[in-house]
Amino acid sequence: DAGVIQSPRHEVTEMGQEVTLRCKPISGHNSLFWYRQTMMRGLELLIYFNNNVPIDDSGMPEDRFSAKMPNASFSTLKIQPSEPRDSAVYFCASSVQRNTGELFFGEGSRLTVL
Amino acid sequence: AQSVAQPEDQVNVAEGNPLTVKCTYSVSGNPYLFWYVQYPNRGLQFLLKYITGDNLVKGSYGFEAEFNKSQTSFHLKKPSALVSDSALYFCAVRDRMNSGYSTLTFGKGTMLLVSP
Repeated sequence: DAGVIQSPRHEVTEMGQEVTLRCKPISGHNSLFWYRQTMMRGLELLIYFNNNVPIDDSGMPEDRFSAKMPNASFSTLKIQPSEPRDSAVYFCASSVQRNTGELFFGEGSRLTVL
Repeated sequence: AQSVAQPEDQVNVAEGNPLTVKCTYSVSGNPYLFWYVQYPNRGLQFLLKYITGDNLVKGSYGFEAEFNKSQTSFHLKKPSALVSDSALYFCAVRDRMNSGYSTLTFGKGTMLLVSP
């Protein structure tokens, strides 16, 4: 299996621009998570989907952030407009939805907003 | 609510020596417990988990962890550290009492540095 695939791996953009991060979960996994990692705040859960439906988006920091999962094999995290404080590594993870299931993480998208 | 504490930001150990990375947790019911490792510029990788049964859990790369219910701890251990074990380690918990949808709560991470 190819694992969780994220793109782009690196993104450098200017403040005010729209950023779209993409994720392909592992086939057969029905839960998908978006996390953000920074030195200051560590690993933060942004949003969580189950069977393509958003279950908990309480971690999404502002209305500038939005996430979609149009089908079982694709999700996007969009930031519009981007700000320098959004600079972080964004991880997508997937799992089979059961309490004993571990998460499988992608390699992350490193975002730098100038 | 569930939470995880990793009291050490960094652990230093010499190669060949045993290592311990500490983790304590808080849940309303019984826990499912996990350890993950993150190498530089990589995503988190699953190491091991405690679900039920034997309190000593063995995982990848020679790591093991001991579940201690009375101390609400799940410390990660390895008998002999390797330089290549140097990485960021995360403990995570999920409350067994949560039915339906539930997520992992991660600790802040502990950087393990193994010196040659």
